[in-house]
Amino acid sequence: KQEVTQIPAALSVPEGENLVLNCSFTDSAIYNLQWFRQDPGKGLTSLLLIQSSQREQTSGRLNASLDKSSGRSTLYIAASQPGDSATYLCAALLSGTTDSWGKFQFGAGTQVVVTP
Amino acid sequence: SAVISQKPSRDICQRGTSLTIQCQVDSQVTMMFWYRQQPGQSLTLIATANQGSEATYESGFVIDKFPISRPNLTFSTLTVSNMSPEDSSIYLCSVLPRFRENTEAFFGQGTRLTVV
Repeated sequence: KQEVTQIPAALSVPEGENLVLNCSFTDSAIYNLQWFRQDPGKGLTSLLLIQSSQREQTSGRLNASLDKSSGRSTLYIAASQPGDSATYLCAALLSGTTDSWGKFQFGAGTQVVVTP
Repeated sequence: SAVISQKPSRDICQRGTSLTIQCQVDSQVTMMFWYRQQPGQSLTLIATANQGSEATYESGFVIDKFPISRPNLTFSTLTVSNMSPEDSSIYLCSVLPRFRENTEAFFGQGTRLTVV
């Protein structure tokens, strides 16, 4: 069974520092990996999608890398701002049979606090 | 992309009652899913909502407790039946617009349910 782990569970940094969030997965047979942001009590906002054939994806201050062979993905947030405070979740889209299509395995998340 | 409207955004319910949550998408999508996020936990898949047929439930979830409907390609409902305080969670609707491996998943803003 695919397991997704996120380290650290929580992170507090002063404004302006770069953030590094780690995600590891046990089974390299994934279709893609997606990073989400969740504000307290809210739904998920998609940040970046990395397809299985890609090594990285960038959007503004965000950059995510994917190494399927080692089962790792890393989300970098440059020059953090207080508005970046949220929980960040990674999710692996599982490969497999038609019956399992579209199912994600989520990590537990990294709770980020950026202090002014 | 897909824009998802989920209703209600939150509710406080008495134990023993039922609540139906609606998920409306602004375009036709291939796959729709329902997730549960218990307090302090990550997301767990409840079921895949299949258009015109019975939903496919994950281990630990049953139709009598979580009946799901999907009458067309843009709408689905999840009912939480005979609620108990243990059902207090955030319930989220998710969609995959296309049956392709590089398809980005989108989530609704969630329904925050408190059972008293």
